[in-house]
Amino acid sequence: DAKTTQPPSMDCAEGRAANLPCNHSTISGNEYVYWYRQIHSQGPQYIIHGLKNNETNEMASLIITEDRKSSTLILPHATLRDTAVYYCIVRVAVRGSTLGRLYFGRGTQLTVWP
Amino acid sequence: EAGVAQSPRYKIIEKRQSVAFWCNPISGHATLYWYQQILGQGPKLLIQFQNNGVVDDSQLPKDRFSAERLKGVDSTLKIQPAKLEDSAVYLCASSLEVGLGAFFGQGTRLTVV
Repeated sequence: DAKTTQPPSMDCAEGRAANLPCNHSTISGNEYVYWYRQIHSQGPQYIIHGLKNNETNEMASLIITEDRKSSTLILPHATLRDTAVYYCIVRVAVRGSTLGRLYFGRGTQLTVWP
Repeated sequence: EAGVAQSPRYKIIEKRQSVAFWCNPISGHATLYWYQQILGQGPKLLIQFQNNGVVDDSQLPKDRFSAERLKGVDSTLKIQPAKLEDSAVYLCASSLEVGLGAFFGQGTRLTVV
């Protein structure tokens, strides 16, 4: 199964860039990497996803290494409201299904401090 | 655009009772997911629908959990009978199609006493 490894916690000063790493060394060639975040007592929120190329949207940037074994989510200017659990997710194979399943680990608790 | 709607928001029941949760996905989203999130853990997929067909229910405890999406739109998740270990947040999510980002509802927090 392709799964992910993330540090359990990180912190960041408000206004600075937050760089959240993720290892997914067993990812297969056609699997996307997804990032979600979950603010306390809310449902997970989709942030970004990518396959090979770096991606950027209004929320964040995603940097994927050339060998695709790891990626980094970058919040360029972290705010207090970015305090949340961040999940790096890949799709794992499911017997009998061609679609696979998104596997959530425990994620990284990011704390942004003033 | 309206998000994924779930109800109820909270539910407290006694063990061995039954409970049902309802989900209305984002309009036009073909893929619907039910996740269980136990406190301190990441969400775990229970069942995934593509329109009204089940794609993956391998992690659904079928002796007590059931789910349906009859018309390919709304979905219900039922637990009968509930156990103490079913206490969790039940999240519904939908996506336009598999492979795209999924949008989650606020969840239903179930407490079994």
